[in-house]
Amino acid sequence: QQQVKQSPQSLIVQKGGISIINCAYENTAFDYFPWYQQFPGKGPALLIAIRPDVSEKKEGRFTISFNKSAKQFSLHIMDSQPGDSATYFCAASMLRFQGAQKLVFGQGTRLTINP
Amino acid sequence: DAGITQSPRYKITETGRQVTLMCHQTWSHSYMFWYRQDLGHGLRLIYYSAAADITDKGEVPDGYVVSRSKTENFPLTLESATRSQTSVYFCASSLVGLAGNEQFFGPGTRLTVL
Repeated sequence: QQQVKQSPQSLIVQKGGISIINCAYENTAFDYFPWYQQFPGKGPALLIAIRPDVSEKKEGRFTISFNKSAKQFSLHIMDSQPGDSATYFCAASMLRFQGAQKLVFGQGTRLTINP
Repeated sequence: DAGITQSPRYKITETGRQVTLMCHQTWSHSYMFWYRQDLGHGLRLIYYSAAADITDKGEVPDGYVVSRSKTENFPLTLESATRSQTSVYFCASSLVGLAGNEQFFGPGTRLTVL
């Protein structure tokens, strides 16, 4: 019940295209869903996050879509650029949990944007 | 502004040896975390700490020991390394523990156990 399942494992998109990465979760107690971006040789860094009181959050070219009834959320990268090539991780945690934010991560998606 | 650093960045050791991975943060963040990253598993929480001298287990704590005598340091020790502990280890910190507060990750330590 603690798992977050992410797909696809790898994705190749042409420059200017839309990249879409999907995640699904089982635990209905999860109520905070961040996406992390990781470049080779670096640690993950927070990209964008959403809470389930909204169905969509947009920051620049990055959008999270959230479907509470389906227990799914996705990351859309519009006008994908070669600089977006990285590994992306979705994650989930519980806002109501008093204490450390124990993130449960998806398996990761290696995104390659071809020029 | 050093942020969060990890050392060593790369380590090769042999089965049965003790290994300590270091993590240091300069932000005075209360919470610190250790994750391991493996292909197909994403990142999995090993241990975390809410403050100096307060630590707790994460998802995969077996074979690991942590301590936190100072707020800024959070070392991770593999008491008797096994091949299954070959992985990339990331330390992270956050200002407060409540969900929704960003975790900042270090650059990682690539550990190979022969």
